[in-house]
Amino acid sequence: DGGITQSPKYLFRKEGQNVTLSCEQNLNHDAMYWYRQDPGQGLRLIYYSQIVNDFQKGDIAEGYSVSREKKESFPLTVTSAQKNPTAFYLCASSIGLWRNTGELFFGEGSRLTVL
Amino acid sequence: QKEVEQNSGPLSVPEGAIASLNCTYSDRGSQSFFWYRQYSGKSPELIMFIYSNGDKEDGRFTAQLNKASQYVSLLIRDSQPSDSATYLCAVITRVDSSYKLIFGSGTRLLVRP
Repeated sequence: DGGITQSPKYLFRKEGQNVTLSCEQNLNHDAMYWYRQDPGQGLRLIYYSQIVNDFQKGDIAEGYSVSREKKESFPLTVTSAQKNPTAFYLCASSIGLWRNTGELFFGEGSRLTVL
Repeated sequence: QKEVEQNSGPLSVPEGAIASLNCTYSDRGSQSFFWYRQYSGKSPELIMFIYSNGDKEDGRFTAQLNKASQYVSLLIRDSQPSDSATYLCAVITRVDSSYKLIFGSGTRLLVRP
């Protein structure tokens, strides 16, 4: 089955630690995205990537980093510089970047809690 | 700042009624509009998109777009308890020299049995 796999589903982190969230897709999509969702809030864009080895900052990129070494993979690192990292993180992909479509396919999400 | 606004709700309707969800957007040049459904603790899934003024129907769902008034709505006919979820409106809008998909904060819908 084609889809997007995020791991881990739940993650607990101590303050000062970096953590990496995994996102893998087998949909052969070029574009991939990371969003953050806080309770009662919409989705806020952290980073996005249109092609391999290229990515762009979104609206709330501070304290996060990404890489896109393979088309299928777009991991997100939440660094200790992110002041309030407790949130629900969603990875998504689409055939092309937003200019062509707003249809995003989402993974099941990763819930990060900082202790 | 380009914005997409939704009433957070909850919107409570009885089973079998029509649920009407509304969304307004600030960028008059926006071209594409989407409705995502998100069950509690789950990820969003696309249920409707609309590009042209007027109505677009898909089963029990109808999307309505009025570009002059800058609003888009989603009607759910014969609402079922399984429709209880948060509905996110999303708009593709131009930001500087690029395009972005901007999400509203969502409206929570409760369908009472």
